Amino acid sequence: AQSVSQHNHHVILSEAASLELGCNYSYGGTVNLFWYVQYPGQHLQLLLKYFSGDPLVKGIKGFEAEFIKSKFSFNLRKPSVQWSDTAEYFCAVNSGNTPLVFGKGTRLSVIA
Amino acid sequence: SQTIHQWPATLVQPVGSPLSLECTVEGTSNPNLYWYRQAAGRGLQLLFYSVGIGQISSEVPQNLSASRPQDRQFILSSKKLLLSDSGFYLCAWSVSRTSDQPQHFGDGTRLSIL
Repeated sequence: AQSVSQHNHHVILSEAASLELGCNYSYGGTVNLFWYVQYPGQHLQLLLKYFSGDPLVKGIKGFEAEFIKSKFSFNLRKPSVQWSDTAEYFCAVNSGNTPLVFGKGTRLSVIA
Repeated sequence: SQTIHQWPATLVQPVGSPLSLECTVEGTSNPNLYWYRQAAGRGLQLLFYSVGIGQISSEVPQNLSASRPQDRQFILSSKKLLLSDSGFYLCAWSVSRTSDQPQHFGDGTRLSIL
């Protein structure tokens, strides 16, 4: 069965710091990878996704993620975070037509 | 455009009472539908998903059940709620038969069992 690991439970950064959130999955076949974000009081929304092609994926709000197949990883990055990036971030994976399997989430707190 | 509605937004129920949470999708046909439970520090746990009317797959044995009486309606139910059923329940939909489409989430229902 697929599983997703997000190693950081809570990350605290100052504004303008760089961000990298780890995501590793366990599945040997072809996968689709997603990052979702949940801002305080809002619903989950898609940040970016990878299906095929360029392993470096650009998303909304300056986020990007890199798929490294050999490491089974899909880490999320942003060069300079803002206070408004405070949210919970979820990595998810699926394959075939299966439902998404989510990680436990990483809470990001950005302080001024 | 497609929209997803979930209600109620919050619900407080006594132990042993029944439950019915409803989710409807507009603007698309034959969607895949999902129920998740979100708990702090535990991410999103898939409870049920459905690829068509009357077709329900259960991911986790539990006190809950799901039904899909219409193409764009997905209902989460229980005959007798337990304290452990408290949580935040999310409905989601995706385009059917394509794995590369993201899931779109509703606003959720916060369920508190007393």
